[in-house]
Parts: sequence; structure tokens; C-alpha cells
Amino acid sequence: LAKTTQPISMDSYEGQEVNITCSHNNIATNDYITWYQQFPSQGPRFIIQGYKTKVTNEVASLFIPADRKSSTLSLPRVSLSDTAVYYCLVVGNNAGNMLTFGGGTRLMVKP
Amino acid sequence: EADIYQTPRYLVIGTGKKITLECSQTMGHDKMYWYQQDPGMELHLIHYSYGVNSTEKGDLSSESTVSRIRTEHFPLTLESARPSHTSQYLCASSKSGDGQPQHFGDGTRLSIL
Repeated sequence: LAKTTQPISMDSYEGQEVNITCSHNNIATNDYITWYQQFPSQGPRFIIQGYKTKVTNEVASLFIPADRKSSTLSLPRVSLSDTAVYYCLVVGNNAGNMLTFGGGTRLMVKP
Repeated sequence: EADIYQTPRYLVIGTGKKITLECSQTMGHDKMYWYQQDPGMELHLIHYSYGVNSTEKGDLSSESTVSRIRTEHFPLTLESARPSHTSQYLCASSKSGDGQPQHFGDGTRLSIL
């Protein structure tokens, strides 16, 4: 399972764009890059997933360079309710799509 | 989006009791998972299932057991609860196939006195 590295914490202010970068140097050919969001006392919530280049949905954008050794989750115009832990994971069809969660990035959005 | 339900949401119970945590999903997902998470800490996989009658242990050793008699149902059981079992237990499910995302329930917060 590819290991990921991301910042432990980040601070931002309401209305700003937040970019969280994740490195995954040993990503495999059939691995996807997936981001989850978790609020206290809740289960992680799937945000976005990509394989290469750029993916955008109603919540976020995911930028993946050609070598796929890193990725950047971009949250446009964050609000206080975006304060959460964000996890970057790499997942392929290994032993049931098992996920290995690291510590994630604790994003604090301030007024 | 998958609908996945866990009950109870919170449970406080004494040592030595038998406990079953329920998890059900309505999306027909083949794969289901149980994770354990202590407050402010990482999630650790403790059990998973590829489908009916399939169960495997995850990367974190656990004294709990699971069963998968029906596709939609993946209960977790502790035969004799101990204070060391106090934690949050999260259930998830996914479709089969490369990189399919997992969909999580809101968890059961278990406290053993």
C-alpha cells in the first residue's frame, strides 16, 4: 500500500482558497488518489478521487501532476464549516480496496 | 451516495458484557469494512469482507469478530467487553473494482466501564 505524507495542520480564513498537498512517491500504476473529510464524531466522507491531471466536483478540485507522485486538494472559498481533518489516500484494487489512513491534515478555518 | 447505518450511535456498558455493533448498507456493495478510531487518532482497519461468507482480519489486531451472512449486513461482536475496547468503531462499504471509494457510517462510540 502506497504511503502518503501530508501536513499535520493548516490554518486559513473564511473566503480563502486552501490547497493541501500530499506526496505519494511509491504510487502504483493502478492506484487512485482519494481524499476524505472527517468531522469530529463522524465517519470520513468521500470528497474527490482522481487518477491523473485535474478533477473537479461541486466541493473541490484535485490536481495531479504527470508523475503522480503528489497531488493537491483545492478547496475554494472555505467557510467555518470546512474545519475538519482531511485525509489523502492511495487505493488500488488490492485485497479489497483496503485503505491505510495516516494522520491527515487538520484544517482550521478562522473567521 | 451509499447509505450506511450503524447502531447504536453510543453505548456505555459494563465489563464482561457481550456486545454486537450493527452495520447495514442499502447500496448492494460487495465489500464491507470495520475500522477502529481513538479520539484524535488515525483509523485502523480491523475487519473486512469481500462478500457473503467472506471475512478477513485487518492490519490492527482486534478481539472482536464479524460475520457476513447477508450482503447488506456486517455486524461486529465482542464476546466479553473490557475497558481496553473503549473506542469509536466505524463501518464502511464499497463496490468492487479498482479504486472504488469507501462510504462510511457515522460510527458507534463504545465506552466500557
